[in-house]
Parts: sequence; structure tokens; C-alpha cells
Amino acid sequence: AQSVTQPDIHITVSEGASLELRCNYSYGATPYLFWYVQSPGQGLQLLLKYFSGDTLVQGIKGFEAEFKRSQSSFNLRKPSVHWSDAAEYFCAVGAREGYSTLTFGKGTMLLVSP
Amino acid sequence: DTGVSQNPRHKITKRGQNVTFRCDPISEHNRLYWYRQTLGQGPEFLTYFQNEAQLEKSRLLSDRFSAERPKGSFSTLEIQRTEQGDSAMYLCASSPNSGGLRRAGELFFGEGSRLTVL
Repeated sequence: AQSVTQPDIHITVSEGASLELRCNYSYGATPYLFWYVQSPGQGLQLLLKYFSGDTLVQGIKGFEAEFKRSQSSFNLRKPSVHWSDAAEYFCAVGAREGYSTLTFGKGTMLLVSP
Repeated sequence: DTGVSQNPRHKITKRGQNVTFRCDPISEHNRLYWYRQTLGQGPEFLTYFQNEAQLEKSRLLSDRFSAERPKGSFSTLEIQRTEQGDSAMYLCASSPNSGGLRRAGELFFGEGSRLTVL
């Protein structure tokens, strides 16, 4: 069974600083990988996904993520954080056979300081 | 473009009562999912419909839980004889059928229905 680990429960970043959120997955083959963001009072929104091909994927709101098979990681990055990025971020993995269901990590809460 | 709509947004009930949540997906989406999210956890998969057919159910979905999507449009999630452990946010999501594997996992979530069982 697949699983996702997000080792950081909370991260605080100064506005304008760079951001990296960590995600490690466990899956026996090449997975689908996703990052979702959940802002207060809003539903989860897809930021980006890795399906195949280029291991560096670009998403919305200036986010990118890199799939590293050797490290079983899919870390999310942003070069300059804005106050509106404060939210909870979830990494998720989907199996290619049963791609209808996703397994989510526990999330990382991003706090942005002025 | 209307998104996924869930009702009610909040429900407080006493232990042992039945509750029902409704989800209206994006109109052209034929796939519908239910997830549950508790404090400090990520969403956990409960069940999945393609049109009116319930194709997958998690072990988390005990006998007290039942989900339906009778006409392949809206869906209901009913919890019978609620327990305090059922307190959670119940999330509905939908996704389109078109796009094949490349669109897999692109879920559009509603804002959730928060259940509190006293």
C-alpha cells in the first residue's frame, strides 16, 4: 500500500524568502504525485502533479516540485513566498492502477511572517 | 463555473443520531469521491463513484456509513447511529472523465461538511 510522509508539521517563512516543503512517498512502482493546498474555509486545490516525463513540474501560483525517484521524494518549492501563501499543504500519491483514489500526507502548515 | 457544493456546512448532533450530507459535483464531472479529514490528518479516502456506480469503498467505511449517487449527479453520505469518533470534516470531490490517465488525481474539492458528535 502506498503512503506519504510530510516530516514538517509547521514551517514559518519570512515573506519574500524561498520555501521548500518536504514530501516522501512509499510506493512499489512509479506513482502519480500531487501537491494540494488548503486555505482556511476553502476546499483543497490542486497546485501541481507529476505524471511522467520531466521530473521538474510547474504548477499554479509560482510553485514547482521535483520528483526524485532515488530519494522517493517530491518536494515543493517556491522562490519567493507571499503572505497569501499561508495555508496547509498536502502531498498525495496515487497508484497508477487504482488512480481514482489518493493517499494524502498529514500536511504541512505554512506560516508567513512579515 | 460553479464548484463542488456540500451541505450542510456544519452539523452538530448527539451520539446515536443519524446524519446525512449532500454533495453536488461540478456538472460535467462523472466521478465523485468522499474523503474524511480529522484534525491534524490529511484527507482519508472513503468511497468513489463513477456515474451512479459505487466502484470502490475503503475499510474506513463501516456498516454505519452508506453513500449513494442515484442518478449519477448529486451524492449523499449517511452515517447511522453516530459515534463521537465520527466527528470530522467530510469532503466531497469530483473529477472529469475526459483526459484519461493524464487527468487522474485532479480532484476538485468542496469546502466540506463538518460533523460534531456530542
